[in-house]
Amino acid sequence: AQSVTQLGSHVSVSEGALVLLRCNYSSSVPPYLFWYVQYPNQGLQLLLKYTSAATLVKGINGFEAEFKKSETSFHLTKPSAHMSDAAEYFCAVSDTGGFKTIFGAGTRLFVKA
Amino acid sequence: EAQVTQNPRYLITVTGKKLTVTCSQNMNHEYMSWYRQDPGLGLRQIYYSMNVEVTDKGDVPEGYKVSRKEKRNFPLILESPSPNQTSLYFCASSRGTGGAETQYFGPGTRLLVL
Repeated sequence: AQSVTQLGSHVSVSEGALVLLRCNYSSSVPPYLFWYVQYPNQGLQLLLKYTSAATLVKGINGFEAEFKKSETSFHLTKPSAHMSDAAEYFCAVSDTGGFKTIFGAGTRLFVKA
Repeated sequence: EAQVTQNPRYLITVTGKKLTVTCSQNMNHEYMSWYRQDPGLGLRQIYYSMNVEVTDKGDVPEGYKVSRKEKRNFPLILESPSPNQTSLYFCASSRGTGGAETQYFGPGTRLLVL
């Protein structure tokens, strides 16, 4: 069975500091991995996804994530946080069939001025 | 504009009173899904549909029904709502059923069952 664990329900960083949001997954088959962002009172939107083409994936708004099979991780990073990055971030895993998607519990990012 | 719409956005109801939350997409997507979002639990999949007249259970289907009679619509039905169904509900759609497909989410429906 697939599962996703996001370490830290809340992360706080200062504006301009590095953002690191952690995601570990469990999957018996090669996974497809996603990061979605949810801004207040909105639905989720895709930040980036791993589809086995490249282990370092670049997404929108300066975010990137690296797939590390040996560590079963897919951590999300951004070199310099901006106030507009304050949101909730969800890591998700999907199987090859794509019928089911498992989401992590989410990490709320706070950005301090 | 390509989008997923949900109605209503906010709903207060009482235990046992049947309700339907509508979901519609204008992107000609084959796959549609319903999720509920609860604090500390993230999003959990309720039901999904691979195409018209093809639906299947997700991880938390109890107390919910769905139908897919048209490609664009995927309503969620609560025949006898209970307080534990108070939640934020999202509908999503994607082009196909391959694992790499991006899902596009609606704005959410916040439901309170008294």
